[in-house]
Amino acid sequence: DIQMTQSPSSLSASVGDRVTITCRASQGITIWLAWYQQKPEKAPKSLIYAASSLQSGVPSRFSGSGSGTDFTLTISSLQPEDSATYYCQQYDSYPWTFGQGTKVEIK
Amino acid sequence: EVQVVESGGGSVQPGESLRLSCAASGFTFSRDSMNWVRQAPGKGLEWVSFISSSSRTIYYADSVKGRFTISRDNAKNSLYLQMNSLRDEDTAKYYCARGQGWFDTWGQGTPVTVSS
Repeated sequence: DIQMTQSPSSLSASVGDRVTITCRASQGITIWLAWYQQKPEKAPKSLIYAASSLQSGVPSRFSGSGSGTDFTLTISSLQPEDSATYYCQQYDSYPWTFGQGTKVEIK
Repeated sequence: EVQVVESGGGSVQPGESLRLSCAASGFTFSRDSMNWVRQAPGKGLEWVSFISSSSRTIYYADSVKGRFTISRDNAKNSLYLQMNSLRDEDTAKYYCARGQGWFDTWGQGTPVTVSS
């Protein structure tokens, strides 16, 4: 199985800050990576697919990059509503696997 | 509005069975692949099972293989998960999610508790 490792596990940042979350795959997955946002007691929400494609309706302050084994999710200007846990997920091969999550808090 | 709504969760004892359902609306269900993804309390996300639009292709996570069965009824716009021989570690919220690879639409989930 492909292991997905996110860093950091949690972070605290101020409104307006640029935030970067890293996801590393245990083997190459080309661009087959997605990012999700999950708020407490809510379902996950799709943000990014194919490493860098923005899901329709998602604010443009969210962006994704990377290929192979190393990927990043960037929030260009953190907003209060971005407080959530973020997960990466590979879909290069079965079983599809998720990272352990990164909790983003607002200072 | 594209929407999926899960139902059928509940509390059962180890070894018992449960059948989850997912009702889809707002899109052409028969054209889309579907999945079940679960999340144990306070934990991360775990993909459970995939079914293609025609039901021709089905995959399971090793943790549920041989115990869970995914199916769909395109005439009823519905997805199912038959869960047998339930274990304590199957306790989770189960989400229905649309997609082949990545999941663009998620339901609110239905909780399953397995405990003696």
